[in-house]
Amino acid sequence: QKEVEQNSGPLSVPEGAIASLNCTYSDRGSQSFFWYRQYSGKSPELIMFIYSNGDKEDGRFTAQLNKASQYVSLLIRDSQPSDSATYLCAVNVDSSASKIIFGSGTRLSIRP
Amino acid sequence: DAMVIQNPRYQVTQFGKPVTLSCSQTLNHNVMYWYQQKSSQAPKLLFHYYDKDFNNEADTPDNFQSRRPNTSFCFLDIRSPGLGDAAMYLCATSSSGSDSPLHFGNGTRLTVT
Repeated sequence: QKEVEQNSGPLSVPEGAIASLNCTYSDRGSQSFFWYRQYSGKSPELIMFIYSNGDKEDGRFTAQLNKASQYVSLLIRDSQPSDSATYLCAVNVDSSASKIIFGSGTRLSIRP
Repeated sequence: DAMVIQNPRYQVTQFGKPVTLSCSQTLNHNVMYWYQQKSSQAPKLLFHYYDKDFNNEADTPDNFQSRRPNTSFCFLDIRSPGLGDAAMYLCATSSSGSDSPLHFGNGTRLTVT
């Protein structure tokens, strides 16, 4: 069974600080990794995707991938109250069939 | 704007009464997915179509069926809904290619009475 694991939280971070969200995956053959943000009662929305080892930056967000450790993370700099949401890690576990599965998500709370 | 549209936004059905949820897309993506999401849980992949190829997850109950009559439309049929099937149902699309992200519709919230 291919799995994606996340700490469910809640993770509480003061406004302006860096929030660090982590994800591990079981299938070593996985190639693509996605971070989605989901507000309560809403659909997930894409924040970033990464498929090469190392860091990828987009504004206040940085995704980090370490395939050897089967680990992907998301850093949010200068955290804002509007960043309070559940963050879902998603992994393409079968690129030939485009099968994408999700972790259970980490609930992030930014305190003013 | 190109998008993924789910109808209805909210659906109430009775225990055991068949229900169909619909999804359409204007993105011309060849992959369409159905996810079930219960409160405080991860979206759970039920099945997906890669073009016309249907990929069913091993743990998806037989009670759940899907149809994709053409590229733009995909349907989720729940033949005999139980109370445990109450959830948000999310339709998503992607283009083929391992680095293609999912594009979600707004979801259908299903209530079973």
